Amino acid sequence: DQQVKQNSPSLSVQEGRISILNCDYTNSMFDYFLWYKKYPAEGPTFLISISSIKDKNEDGRFTVFLNKSAKHLSLHIVPSQPGDSAVYFCAASAGGATNKLIFGTGTLLAVQP
Amino acid sequence: KAGVTQTPRYLIKTRGQQVTLSCSPISGHRSVSWYQQTPGQGLQFLFEYFSETQRNKGNFPGRFSGRQFSNSRSEMNVSTLELGDSALYLCASSRLQGNTEAFFGQGTRLTVV
Repeated sequence: DQQVKQNSPSLSVQEGRISILNCDYTNSMFDYFLWYKKYPAEGPTFLISISSIKDKNEDGRFTVFLNKSAKHLSLHIVPSQPGDSAVYFCAASAGGATNKLIFGTGTLLAVQP
Repeated sequence: KAGVTQTPRYLIKTRGQQVTLSCSPISGHRSVSWYQQTPGQGLQFLFEYFSETQRNKGNFPGRFSGRQFSNSRSEMNVSTLELGDSALYLCASSRLQGNTEAFFGQGTRLTVV
C-alpha cells in the first residue's frame, strides 16, 4: 500500500521556467511533509518542509503548497536551473514522537538549458 | 558544521556473512533513522533511535538490527546476508523527535555476491 505517491516519474522543463512537482498521500494522520533532492548513489538533500498547520512555505526559489482536503502537496521551483536536474522525493511523517518518514517513488526532473 | 557521516561508503560481502554499518549524526542531533533504498522498493524505513532507544521499526526481518550509543552514533547490523540485501543504506539525523527536518548521509552501498 503506497501511502505517498508521486504519479509523474519524470518531468522536463526549460531553464528559467517553473517546475511543479506533485505528491499525493492517503494517510490522514500525516502532519509533516518534506521534499528532498537526490542524485544517484548519494544521500537525499533536504530542501523544504511544511507542517499541516500551514498551507504554504517558501525558501528562496522553492515553495511548497499543502492542500489537506485533497491530501496533495506540490513543490514549485522558480526559476528552474540546470543544476536542479535530479530526482525529487516527497516524504511524510505521522508526527508524534517519531521521525519515521514514508517516501514517495520520486520524480526525475530534467531542466533543459 | 559537519554533516551526517556514514562509513564505509562501499562494501562487498558474500551471502551468509554479516555486516555492520556506522553512522555519526550531526553534532547535537539525538535522533538517528536508517533507510534502505533499492530500485524496486524505493526508500524504505528500517528503524529509528532516540536517546539510545529504538523508537520505531520498519517491516524488515529480524536479521536487520541496530543500536545507538550514548554519543548518538548509531550502527546497523545485517546478519546472514542475502543477495536481496544489496542496496544503498542511508542514515538520517534529526535534532528533535517528531516534526523536524531529517538530514541524510551519503549512504553505504552494500553489494552481496
